[in-house]
Amino acid sequence: QKEVEQNSGPLSVPEGAIASLNCTYSDRVSQSFFWYRQYSGKSPELIMSIYSNGDKEDGRFTAQLNKASQYVSLLIRDSQPSDSATYLCAVKRGDSNYQLIWGAGTKLIIKP
Amino acid sequence: DGGITQSPKYLFRKEGQNVTLSCEQNLNHDAMYWYRQDPGQGLRLIYYSQIVNDFQKGDIAEGYSVSREKKESFPLTVTSAQKNPTAFYLCASSFYNRGGTEAFFGQGTRLTVV
Repeated sequence: QKEVEQNSGPLSVPEGAIASLNCTYSDRVSQSFFWYRQYSGKSPELIMSIYSNGDKEDGRFTAQLNKASQYVSLLIRDSQPSDSATYLCAVKRGDSNYQLIWGAGTKLIIKP
Repeated sequence: DGGITQSPKYLFRKEGQNVTLSCEQNLNHDAMYWYRQDPGQGLRLIYYSQIVNDFQKGDIAEGYSVSREKKESFPLTVTSAQKNPTAFYLCASSFYNRGGTEAFFGQGTRLTVV
């Protein structure tokens, strides 16, 4: 079992709809969770971090965390073609202050 | 401007050569990382450093070496022992804050063996 799992996609979503990206993790003591967006040929950029159970909203993005189910998700409302990218889920190791475990990413395609 | 600078953006290496990738940050972050990304793959950790003059191997350290003589700098050397070095190399840095460790990336170096 991979430590951080994501559906590789591609996930195709119509423009204006809600895109839902999911991530599961195996480290039960992990406390910090991150979503990064990576455009083709570019480096990842941080879009959301979440540390507590529940929802965290930032503009069109909402991160959802359920530690009991070891599940973190990212919702993108009013999807735009510019949201087309690969979304990487990262989880901080429970036994480390700094080290992150990365999912392989989900490729999202927003269709105009 | 605060940020992480990687250089060069593109690098070509001949068989048997060692090459060094530069990474500098002016964010005053304690931790720095080197990742390798292959096409269609996630990030794999090569080395990371939490403080000056100390670093730890990641999952794929064989054929790579690093140094951390200054807080701002974390160069990566790809040695001739690395048999398949063609990849996208990403340097990142992070701070530790209330359990979080938000990592920020440089623009990457694309290394190709010729």
